[in-house]
Amino acid sequence: DAGVIQSPRHEVTEMGQEVTLRCKPISGHDYLFWYRQTMMRGLELLIYFNNNVPIDDSGMPEDRFSAKMPNASFSTLKIQPSEPRDSAVYFCATKESSNSPLHFGNGTRLTVT
Amino acid sequence: AQSVTQLGSHVSVSEGALVLLRCNYSSSVPPYLFWYVQYPNQGLQLLLKYTSAATLVKGINGFEAEFKKSETSFHLTKPSAHMSDAAEYFCAVSGFNAGNMLTFGGGTRLMVKP
Repeated sequence: DAGVIQSPRHEVTEMGQEVTLRCKPISGHDYLFWYRQTMMRGLELLIYFNNNVPIDDSGMPEDRFSAKMPNASFSTLKIQPSEPRDSAVYFCATKESSNSPLHFGNGTRLTVT
Repeated sequence: AQSVTQLGSHVSVSEGALVLLRCNYSSSVPPYLFWYVQYPNQGLQLLLKYTSAATLVKGINGFEAEFKKSETSFHLTKPSAHMSDAAEYFCAVSGFNAGNMLTFGGGTRLMVKP
């Protein structure tokens, strides 16, 4: 079991550029969550999917953010255009069922200059 | 609605001393409660969870937590701190919402002095 795999681990980009963060869930996990972690706001849930379908995206901060899960093995979080205030660590987390524990990836540290 | 409050964003203990990290929750339904640990540059890892069975829950690395409904608390303890316990700890609550989404507390950074 390789765990939840996120790429890239670090991303540095300039304001206005498009950023795509990637996540490969643990095989068999039906739920996938995207979180953002900052010093000021802590851990914030952005969106989650169940069986590849977005269920709750109320945490997505703005229309600049979008997330997709085209199949059970892959999800993306896209920011277009990026802004300096988007700088944070973005985590993908998955779980097998609604009552299962959450497994986190190692995160993507995004810096927007 | 549910929420979690972790008292103390930073806790410092000496190696070998008792570790006590405080967590209070608010939930309109019987909660599931969790403690996660985050080491530098890593994601969160599950330490332990309470799911309405025994009120005293034992987790990994010698940690345990006790669910006290009357106090709406789920404090994390370890009898003797080790240097390797230095990390950030998050308390989380979930209720019977769709997907049983977790609501995390603000985290407590534990520092262990030699």
